[in-house]
Amino acid sequence: AQKITQTQPGMFVQEKEAVTLDCTYDTSDPSYGLFWYKQPSSGEMIFLIYQGSYDQQNATEGRYSLNFQKARKSANLVISASQLGDSAMYFCAMREGLRGAGANSKLTFGKGITLSVRP
Amino acid sequence: NAGVTQTPKFQVLKTGQSMTLQCAQDMNHNSMYWYRQDPGMGLRLIYYSASEGTTDKGEVPNGYNVSRLNKREFSLRLESAAPSQTSVYFCASRARGTTYEQYFGPGTRLTVT
Repeated sequence: AQKITQTQPGMFVQEKEAVTLDCTYDTSDPSYGLFWYKQPSSGEMIFLIYQGSYDQQNATEGRYSLNFQKARKSANLVISASQLGDSAMYFCAMREGLRGAGANSKLTFGKGITLSVRP
Repeated sequence: NAGVTQTPKFQVLKTGQSMTLQCAQDMNHNSMYWYRQDPGMGLRLIYYSASEGTTDKGEVPNGYNVSRLNKREFSLRLESAAPSQTSVYFCASRARGTTYEQYFGPGTRLTVT
């Protein structure tokens, strides 16, 4: 089974509107972290936001927020007030085993979602 | 502060040739990683180094070797390149702290003909 699933095809949003990018994950580890990265057409990977499995509140970073629903194993990225510069590919990723001697330092990535912002 | 740097940015190899991709970070991070990105596949981990002196296989290690030369540098070697290794290669390093995010280099676009 895939650990990170991003199934939306290309997404489109009108400038200044909000958009939600879906991510579901699969793990039996109680201690994990979820990440979102942005990859614009220039190719670099830009870290956006992080949510830990034990965090009590949903993470927010400026216009980015993470809608974390632990029971549903979903970690959707919400971008508010979309800008033309938000057009990019977005990747959800997970790191398992944040605690303990067997702490796993590896990230597993989803296949990504392409977002296009229309003027 | 350069962050994570990779060389070269682009490379074309013939099947069977060898090359080494270089990666360096100046953020004093302990952990470093090599990923490959193929269309529709997301990023897949090739090898990683949790600390200086240690390396471990990731999801797709076949055909690659790595060297953690020192805390700053982590190189990826293709001994005998194959067309299936045509990809974009990213190096990353990880910060200490509670968020554990990885910082990525700009990538190397490799084509094997």
